[in-house]
Amino acid sequence: GDSVTQTEGQVALSEEDFLTIHCNYSASGYPTLFWYVQYPGEGPQLLFRASRDKEKGSSRGFEATYDKGTTSFHLRKASVQESDSAVYYCALSDEATGGNNKLTFGQGTVLSVIP
Amino acid sequence: GALVYQYPRRTICKSGTSMRMECQAVGFQATSVAWYRQSPQKTFELIALSTVNSAIKYEQNFTQEKFPISHPNLSFSSMTVLNAYLEDRGLYLCGAREGGGSDYTFGSGTRLLVI
Repeated sequence: GDSVTQTEGQVALSEEDFLTIHCNYSASGYPTLFWYVQYPGEGPQLLFRASRDKEKGSSRGFEATYDKGTTSFHLRKASVQESDSAVYYCALSDEATGGNNKLTFGQGTVLSVIP
Repeated sequence: GALVYQYPRRTICKSGTSMRMECQAVGFQATSVAWYRQSPQKTFELIALSTVNSAIKYEQNFTQEKFPISHPNLSFSSMTVLNAYLEDRGLYLCGAREGGGSDYTFGSGTRLLVI
């Protein structure tokens, strides 16, 4: 079945540091890839998505590029702020799996930004 | 904008009893509703996907007998956790979307504590 793997479980950075959270996926079809962010006490919110190879998604300074060759969708931000502290989830939706468009989430990465 | 409300936000139930949680979509038609569980230290597990005018599809390890779901109209869904035990504790999330190609909007979740 489909799966999403996030390498980092926790990331601690100082403000203005560069952020990378690695995401690799496995899917039978040609999935749409997502990054979600979850703040304490809230549900996950969509940051952005990408649907085809080499497409870049971006929002609020975060970005990720769909790479079908390496099956990756790594999240990056050039300069993090304390307000970026949250849990980040990589996810995919695979049209090939019966067209139900269910979301499969990675394990999540806890980002802590120290002022 | 599209919003999803879940209630209650938090609930405690005694082991072996049942608990019902609700999900309300505002500002859009919830054609599809997905119920997820986020257990401690785990990512989001899909429980079931409900699409209007289609049968509710449960994921492996989850059954209608344990997690009966109702999706009577395009703005409301409910799910009951029957005979709740310790392993059922966690954050239950409702995600809803309107039609194919649109993104899921998630509620803030119902946190279930079993004692």
